[in-house]
Amino acid sequence: QVQLVQSGAEVKKPGASVKVSCKASGYTFTSYGISWVRQAPGQGLEWMGWISAYNGNTNYAQKLQGRVTMTTDTSTSTAYMELRSLRSDDTAVYYCARRRIAAAGTWFDPWGQGTLVTVSS
Amino acid sequence: QTVVTQEPSFSVSPGGTVTLTCGLSSGSVSTSYYPSWYQQTPGQAPRTLIYSTNTRSSGVPDRFSGSILGNKAALTITGAQADDESDYYCVLYMGSYWVFGGGTKLTVL
Repeated sequence: QVQLVQSGAEVKKPGASVKVSCKASGYTFTSYGISWVRQAPGQGLEWMGWISAYNGNTNYAQKLQGRVTMTTDTSTSTAYMELRSLRSDDTAVYYCARRRIAAAGTWFDPWGQGTLVTVSS
Repeated sequence: QTVVTQEPSFSVSPGGTVTLTCGLSSGSVSTSYYPSWYQQTPGQAPRTLIYSTNTRSSGVPDRFSGSILGNKAALTITGAQADDESDYYCVLYMGSYWVFGGGTKLTVL
């Protein structure tokens, strides 16, 4: 079955960087994109950006431009999200999700299990 | 700055029907925004319920339905069950990026 498995929880200090991985299985990795979505404690979902696993094209949320980089490794069907210059308000659960595209629309399915990133001094 | 609006909370009785909405701070939601809906229970990843306005994701019970009502996208739960108590998020596609609503906390009691 289609599955996205993310890397484990991370604890980082302010100013550091974090790189979260998302390993895909059960489908042709390069036929879909991967979006990243985060959720701060007790808050809603926030779209961060997406990457095409076909050609590596990316589009990032404006508020994260310059701090976030999304990449893929097609040899291992893995997507990565790196966030730099971490601040306390980057503390969140980070999700990857496969981007589905059809004639009638685009949506996210399935989702990874989430990776908790804690930023604390 | 595009803001997607949802009711912060809603309650429904078991067996009842509830409609959650997803609007825009300015303008109307249409099918062109490809609204999709996700259900999330505490500590779990979101689960896809509805995409492309009204298409149920695989395995989603038919008591969940999506539509456009007036100038908003809507998620209707008909015959609510106890395990429908969750947070529900809509998201709209803006052509090159997505914006999530703030979510609706649904209580079934």
